[in-house]
Amino acid sequence: QKEVEQNSGPLSVPEGAIASLNCTYSDRGSQSFFWYRQYSGKSPELIMFIYSNGDKEDGRFTAQLNKASQYVSLLIRDSQPSDSATYLCAVNSHGNNRLAFGKGNQVVVIP
Amino acid sequence: DTGVSQDPRHKITKRGQNVTFRCDPISEHNRLYWYRQTLGQGPEFLTYFQNEAQLEKSRLLSDRFSAERPKGSFSTLEIQRTEQGDSAMYLCASSRTETNEKLFFGSGTQLSVL
Repeated sequence: QKEVEQNSGPLSVPEGAIASLNCTYSDRGSQSFFWYRQYSGKSPELIMFIYSNGDKEDGRFTAQLNKASQYVSLLIRDSQPSDSATYLCAVNSHGNNRLAFGKGNQVVVIP
Repeated sequence: DTGVSQDPRHKITKRGQNVTFRCDPISEHNRLYWYRQTLGQGPEFLTYFQNEAQLEKSRLLSDRFSAERPKGSFSTLEIQRTEQGDSAMYLCASSRTETNEKLFFGSGTQLSVL
């Protein structure tokens, strides 16, 4: 079982709609959770982090964490063409000093 | 804060040659990480340093790979006897020494082994 799984394929959303991305992780002791955005040919850029169960909102982004279900999600409201990118879920497991990344989900916002 | 910088941005080499990459982290960051990323995959952890000490290496890291951070500032990653399977983006990241740390990535070095 992979440490971090992002299984859904490319997501196409119309401009102005909500994009929803999901991620599951295997280590129940994981403590911190991150979402990175990566444009094609560029390096990952941190956009959200969450440490506690529940929702965390930052502008048009909302991260949701459910530790009991080992599940973290990212919502992008009012999607813009500039949101078209790959979104990487990353998890810092208990006792580790490194982030484990999922393979990413590509989002395409259609004008 | 000038961000994490990596050099070179691109490297093309022939199989069997050695290559070396450099990373300069954000100045106040004690931790420095190397990751590798191939097309369609997320970054894969290679190794990390706290100050000058290399504290963890991935079990996937071949003996052909070596990394140093001699003065606790910049780091180098060397790949000896390169193979075509080494072709990837090599990403450096840095962070403060604290829990729930956030990584800040450099622009990466794209390696192509012919």
